[in-house]
Formats: sequence, C-alpha cells, structure tokens
Amino acid sequence: ETGVTQTPRHLVMGMTNKKSLKCEQHLGHNAMYWYKQSAKKPLELMFVYSLEERVENNSVPSRFSPECPNSSHLFLHLHTLQPEDSALYLCASSQERAGRGSPLHFGNGTRLTVT
Amino acid sequence: GENVEQHPSTLSVQEGDSAVIKCTYSDSASNYFPWYKQELGKGPQLIIDIRSNVGEKKDQRIAVTLNKTAKHFSLHITETQPEDSAVYFCAASASFQKLVFGTGTRLLVSP
Repeated sequence: ETGVTQTPRHLVMGMTNKKSLKCEQHLGHNAMYWYKQSAKKPLELMFVYSLEERVENNSVPSRFSPECPNSSHLFLHLHTLQPEDSALYLCASSQERAGRGSPLHFGNGTRLTVT
Repeated sequence: GENVEQHPSTLSVQEGDSAVIKCTYSDSASNYFPWYKQELGKGPQLIIDIRSNVGEKKDQRIAVTLNKTAKHFSLHITETQPEDSAVYFCAASASFQKLVFGTGTRLLVSP
C-alpha cells in the first residue's frame, strides 16, 4: 500500500466517548501533520511532528491529544469532544517540514461527527 | 502572520472553457505557492506549485502565474473537462513557516 492511509473513514462519537484516529504513511517522509477541515474555513493546522518530535501545536484544546510513536505512524486521541469539533480530520506527511518547499501528501481523512 | 484570500468561492464553466482561480497573500516573505485539488471523499492532492524565483509554470492543461509585486498568484486550467470538477485550494508559505491555505474554490465543469 502506498501514500497516506487514515482510519477510520467515518466516526460518530458521543461527547463522553474516547476514540482515536490513526494515520500511516508509506512514503518514507520525516514530518507528519494533523489538519482540521471545516466547511467554508481554511484548512487549520493542528499539530506537526518532525522526526517523531512534536514541533508545533497551534493552540489546540487539550481534548485533542496527538501521538507519534515512529516516523510512519500518527494518532489523534479524542476525549470529551464538543459538537463543534465535528469536521474532517486530515493527516498529511512531507519529506521535510512544509514551508521549506516540501509538498504535503494528504490522506483521505476521517469524517468525525460528535453527537 | 500570513493571510491568504481566494476567489471566487464557486466557479461554473462549460466543458472546454478555461477557468481561472485567484489568490492574494499578505506576507512579502512568502516564497512557496502550491495548489491542491480535493475531489469528493478524498484528501487534497498537490497539482502544481511555484516558487518565488519563477513567474509562471505549466503542466499540460494547468498553469500557475505569480506576481510578487502585487502579491497574487493564479491557477489557470484550459480545455476544462468534467473530471476537473473539484475544490481547489491555494496556499502560501515563507521559508521555515507553515503553509497557510485559502478557503477553496468549488469548480463545476458542465458537459
């Protein structure tokens, strides 16, 4: 399998649940990202990991907790979410950190609905 | 920080026509400008990018132009086809800074 794979594709959870989103990249890249995509808003960068070290956290609420056990895997742990957290969550990877002219490769996302 | 504005938000064209999407950016230090295409149910995919030392770049039916003085860049699609229908995002970044995305343009190509 090639590219960036995200699971699950769809997730419905209550506000008291705990769930995790998984991302795996098969491109040999060094950086991985979580983005949030909401309707009529620009893509919002949530977290950046470079060589398994978190290098950026854009004021994301603590109910979102990322984990990067190795350079190929990235998780987003979710707990006590709010309905406004419903969105498409996209994982991406790049050879180097984006902004150094290294293209982002996105997965197909997890559509999250918080009830 | 960087701010990217994208227009129009929706664009409808007939098959075979050309389509142009425009973006402006605020940070004069920005030097990397990619364009992404997002089809229904999929993540954004890079279709073309340009760096600030180049004024224009082409790849078959797709071209991007950059005007550094005016701080705007545009995506041009010629001979549009129904499979070009998607949401297109522009983005900009300065060296070692994060990519900032526009709000997207929904392109609909009618047969």
